Amino acid sequence: NAGVTQTPKFQVLKTGQSMTLQCAQDMNHEYMSWYRQDPGMGLRLIHYSVGAGITDQGEVPNGYNVSRSTTEDFPLRLLSAAPSQTSVYFCASSYGRGDSYEQYFGPGTRLTVT
Amino acid sequence: KDQVFQPSTVASSEGAVVEIFCNHSVSNAYNFFWYLHFPGCAPRLLVKGSKPSQQGRYNMTYERFSSSLLILQVREADAAVYYCACRGSSNTGKLIFGQGTTLQVKP
Repeated sequence: NAGVTQTPKFQVLKTGQSMTLQCAQDMNHEYMSWYRQDPGMGLRLIHYSVGAGITDQGEVPNGYNVSRSTTEDFPLRLLSAAPSQTSVYFCASSYGRGDSYEQYFGPGTRLTVT
Repeated sequence: KDQVFQPSTVASSEGAVVEIFCNHSVSNAYNFFWYLHFPGCAPRLLVKGSKPSQQGRYNMTYERFSSSLLILQVREADAAVYYCACRGSSNTGKLIFGQGTTLQVKP
């Protein structure tokens, strides 16, 4: 299993540009989520999904869109990048039920918005 | 509001046992999850559960609303960020993460 994969690993955007961060998992996990990590702020939940076709907002959703058309993929779209979105972005997945709430993380995408 | 609390920094000396404390305000959360995060890498699960447990040098204590991660014989290479998390009360699969504790290890 590849686990959770994210692309790209690094990205530089100019203010106003849009882009999509890709996330995929091959563990047949129902639950997927996106976090951003900023110094001193920990992991903050942006959006999450409990299955294909179902998404919901997390703690810091503004400026980001998500969709979940398949179980495997959960892309995160930045509509109009802003310097405040400079961060490291992590995707995670889990079975999300029973005793299997532990989340598996991807390696992260480091995004810089200038 | 569901929240998880942990100290921002803990300092220790090499060879000691270090304790990182965590507590939460989530009404129906029974499990704790402890993650280790090195910069540039994916956070990875160290230990989890609803009772005291051990994985190698990592011990987890358990009370209904609090847990501690104990790292035995701490090394300089253990310097990293440690996250505590609990299952969210909405039963959606969400984990509520604390803000992370940076472990500093002095030689």
